This record gives sequence, structure tokens and C-alpha cells, in this order.
Amino acid sequence: DTEVTQTPKHLVMGMTNKKSLKCEQHMGHRAMYWYKQKAKKPPELMFVYSYEKLSINESVPSRFSPECPNSSLLNLHLHALQPEDSALYLCASSQPGTSSLTDTQYFGPGTRLTVL
Amino acid sequence: RKEVEQDPGPFNVPEGATVAFNCTYSNSASQSFFWYRQDCRKEPKLLMSVYSSGNEDGRFTAQLNRASQYISLLIRDSKLSDSATYLCVVNRDRTNAGKSTFGDGTTLTVKP
Repeated sequence: DTEVTQTPKHLVMGMTNKKSLKCEQHMGHRAMYWYKQKAKKPPELMFVYSYEKLSINESVPSRFSPECPNSSLLNLHLHALQPEDSALYLCASSQPGTSSLTDTQYFGPGTRLTVL
Repeated sequence: RKEVEQDPGPFNVPEGATVAFNCTYSNSASQSFFWYRQDCRKEPKLLMSVYSSGNEDGRFTAQLNRASQYISLLIRDSKLSDSATYLCVVNRDRTNAGKSTFGDGTTLTVKP
């Protein structure tokens, strides 16, 4: 089973709203990722959690706040977003290790976010 | 210079054609290499990992040349369903969850 699930599939929010994106995986992976993808561009890494600790923050604005409550769950809390934050937000997971077999990333279907 | 560069494309080919994509990477410390495909408005899906010895999966063959720092993907007997964007992905740090660097993607359209 290589499934990563994300909710909601679509989200429309105003600039003053607070919302959260959720990601879940049951593959026993200990690394989880948030990416942002704009149309016709590759995914851009936002955050990496490794063994439930934040290991990489790619200078993401503080209006995005990640949280990893346990090894299966990853949240992205959103507050005071701007219209330019509208994008597809992808979650991925992998098993940190020492071979291509283990650090392959599996992506969820994404949340399509529109900020009005 | 970008860390990972792909053929810009787009590639428009007839069904049954053979098409090859190339990708170069600049960091010689890179450890693992992948090809993903991404359909319009969907998530990237792993197509193949790429090994130094080369690997084949049906109509798809991937090659890695560490000396020249490039990877390639060959698709034989193209199908309409192969139409997608193909992303080259390079990982630097294998011991922990490290950064993956994505190429900009190459768009393939297979026409009847």
C-alpha cells in the first residue's frame, strides 16, 4: 500500500480565515513533506519532518505553520494567506534510509487551495 | 545554472514513436535519482528509480551516467496514455530525509 491521503481536496478561503490541511500515511514512513506547486511549475519544497521533528524549513512565511502530531499525520495550518498563495499543496512521505528504495517519495493527491 | 535541468520540450510524437528525455544535475554529491510522471492537475507519481547499471520496466528504460552527471528516460512504442509531464528528481542526502530537487519537467504529448 503506497497511499498518502490528503484532505480537503479543494479549499477556498478568505485572507482573514484560518484553515488546516491534513495529510495521512500508513506506510510506516518516518519522513513527511509539504510542497507547493503552481501551474506549469515543479513542486517547491516547503517543509520536511524527519522522525516527527522539523528538519527543513525552506524559508516559508510564518502564515504557513506545519505540525506533525505523530508519525502518520502531518498538518499545515494556514492563517492570513494572500491570493498568491493559491496553489496545489502536496504532501509526500518516504522512509529515510540509505538506498533509492528507501528515500523514494510518495505523493498524496494534493489540496487545491484558492485564496480570495 | 539550475541544480537540475531537463530538456525543455514540449515533445509531440506520434503513437508508436520512441522518445528520449535527458536531465543533468550539477551536484556531484547527489545520491539517488528518479523519474516521476505528473498528469494534468494530479500529483506526481513515481515512474522509476534510476540506477547506475540502468534499469528497464516494460517500454521504459532509465540510465544514469555519474561521470557526466546526467540521467535519461527512454520510452519505446509510445502510447496515448504516456502523455504527461515527466519530472526528473535528484536527492542529495540519503542518510536523512533530505532535499529533493525537481527539474522543471518535460511535457510529452503522444498523438494518434
